[in-house]
This record gives sequence, structure tokens and C-alpha cells, in this order.
Amino acid sequence: DAEITQSPRHKITETGRQVTLACHQTWNHNNMFWYRQDLGHGLRLIHYSYGVQDTNKGEVSDGYSVSRSNTEDLPLTLESAASSQTSVYFCASSGGRNEKLFFGSGTQLSVL
Amino acid sequence: QQQVKQSPQSLIVQKGGISIINCAYENTAFDYFPWYQQFPGKGPALLIAIRPDVSEKKEGRFTISFNKSAKQFSLHIMDSQPGDSATYFCAARSSGTASKLTFGTGTRLQVTL
Repeated sequence: DAEITQSPRHKITETGRQVTLACHQTWNHNNMFWYRQDLGHGLRLIHYSYGVQDTNKGEVSDGYSVSRSNTEDLPLTLESAASSQTSVYFCASSGGRNEKLFFGSGTQLSVL
Repeated sequence: QQQVKQSPQSLIVQKGGISIINCAYENTAFDYFPWYQQFPGKGPALLIAIRPDVSEKKEGRFTISFNKSAKQFSLHIMDSQPGDSATYFCAARSSGTASKLTFGTGTRLQVTL
């Protein structure tokens, strides 16, 4: 069965370190998204991609970057982790015009 | 700027009761309105969705009511069950080729026995 997987599930890091969260999907979807989930803020879009070599900033992109070198993967990099980036991060993928997003199980990131 | 406003933040309903979650939007260019359900430790999953050309969409115990003139839509869960306890997110999709979803802030629903 097709799926979308995120790794790691949990990550603890220190302020200032570079961190990369992985996202891999086997749906063969062109569209991939990174969201962060925080209480009181819901799901906020960080970056998204509509195909290989395509990346776009979302509403909370400062301090984050992504790259899309193939269809299956969209890694999210925190260039210099900050405590404000402690959150649960979700990757999602979809086809067409995003009528159904498939979400991964999330990565709980703690920046100390 | 919160383009999709969701309320309440949390909701407690007795088993068998009706759960109602409301959302309001500002951007008239939104063209698709899904609801996502999220269980603890899991990612959100699509529950039900509606397009603005209809006023109601029903799937089993779940119904979306849509009021285009008021720019509001709501999720009704009839005969609420403990297994419905989850966080619910409304969302809206921007029209055009660069369509993406904007989510509400979420409602944590607890259904008690």
C-alpha cells in the first residue's frame, strides 16, 4: 500500500544546531507540504512543492528550508534551530488540486 | 492573519448528542472546504468536504452545512460516540492552479459516556 512516512518520530536538539526532518511518500504525488502544529494555531504551512525542483514558501517559512530533488522526498531543514521551533511537524502529499491530503504521523521536535 | 476562524477551541458532548463546530472565512476566492479529523499521535485525515455550490453535504453521521453569503460553514456530528473524540480541523482551498489549504485552529472534541 502507498504511504507517507516521516522520520524521526521524536527529536531533541539544541539551540543553534541544524536539523533535518525526512518525509518520504510512495503515492507518486506531485504536491508535498510541510506544516507545523501548535496549540491555538492549528496547522500552519511552512513550505510546499508542486513538483521536482519546485519549492514555495508558506506562511511561517522563516528559519526553514526545503529541497525537492525527486518525487518521493521533501526534507525539511531547520538551519539554526530555535526554541520557538519546538513543535509537531507534519508532512503531507496530494495529487491534482489538493482535494485530499495524506498526512504522515508527524515528528515531535524539541529545541532546548 | 487568520483566514479561517474556527470555534470552539474545545467541546465536550455526551454520548448520543450533537457536536457542532463552526468555521468562518474571509477570502471569497476559496473554492473547496474540507474537514480533517486527527486522533492523538496521528496525522490528520480527510473526513468530509463540500464545494460552495451546495448548502449541505452528508456522509453517515457527519454533515457539513455551508452558508456562502455569510462565509460560514459548520460540521455537525449526529449521535456523537466516544470514538469520535479527536481534534477536528476545518480548511479552505484557494482557487486557481496554485491551490493550497488554509487550516483553522482546530477543535478538540471529547465525547463522554
